[in-house]
Amino acid sequence: AAGVIQSPRHLIKEKRETATLKCYPIPRHDTVYWYQQGPGQDPQFLISFYEKMQSDKGSIPDRFSAQQFSDYHSELNMSSLELGDSALYFCASSDNTGASSYNEQFFGPGTRLTVL
Amino acid sequence: AQKITQTQPGMFVQEKEAVTLDCTYDTSDPSYGLFWYKQPSSGEMIFLIYQGSYDQQNATEGRYSLNFQKARKSANLVISASQLGDSAMYFCAMRERLTGGGNKLTFGTGTQLKVEL
Repeated sequence: AAGVIQSPRHLIKEKRETATLKCYPIPRHDTVYWYQQGPGQDPQFLISFYEKMQSDKGSIPDRFSAQQFSDYHSELNMSSLELGDSALYFCASSDNTGASSYNEQFFGPGTRLTVL
Repeated sequence: AQKITQTQPGMFVQEKEAVTLDCTYDTSDPSYGLFWYKQPSSGEMIFLIYQGSYDQQNATEGRYSLNFQKARKSANLVISASQLGDSAMYFCAMRERLTGGGNKLTFGTGTQLKVEL
């Protein structure tokens, strides 16, 4: 079965640079989520999109922005990178049409961002 | 706001034995969902099992079962017949409804499980 795809898997950037993370949700999933997991931490919700519209925001810094495109893929743009942005960034997708009673979020493999 | 508490930072279990990972939660929402995810050292988050707040029976998925005690607000994960490949970080999470109509997962701090020979 198709899973959530994230690219790149690893990314190394310098401070003050920009980074773009991409996410391709499971086909026919209508909701995409972004989470940030710092070293030794639990994942923290950043932002979500439902049917290409931003639905909710969590603890996402103003330096970050995200969008979902017509083909449902999503991109997380990060500017003025700081050392503290080094983390594992997960994208997850879910089907909230009611077809699944769980509405479980399926996670991608993550993008490991290292800021030097 | 919802809260998930995992009080065991680390657990050891011998191969083939059962182990229980604790999770307690706090919420004022009568409708909620509880999830357990496994995160191996490679980093991916693997969905294990789900329990809905209105489910009458405890969830089971293969060697995983959830000991759901609603009155005590606990949702402990039981892994039977532990295998070396079960060594990983385990996160308990709650689905929280958001004002925008969507939902997010709120995670506990995780329990690092080590299965020994």
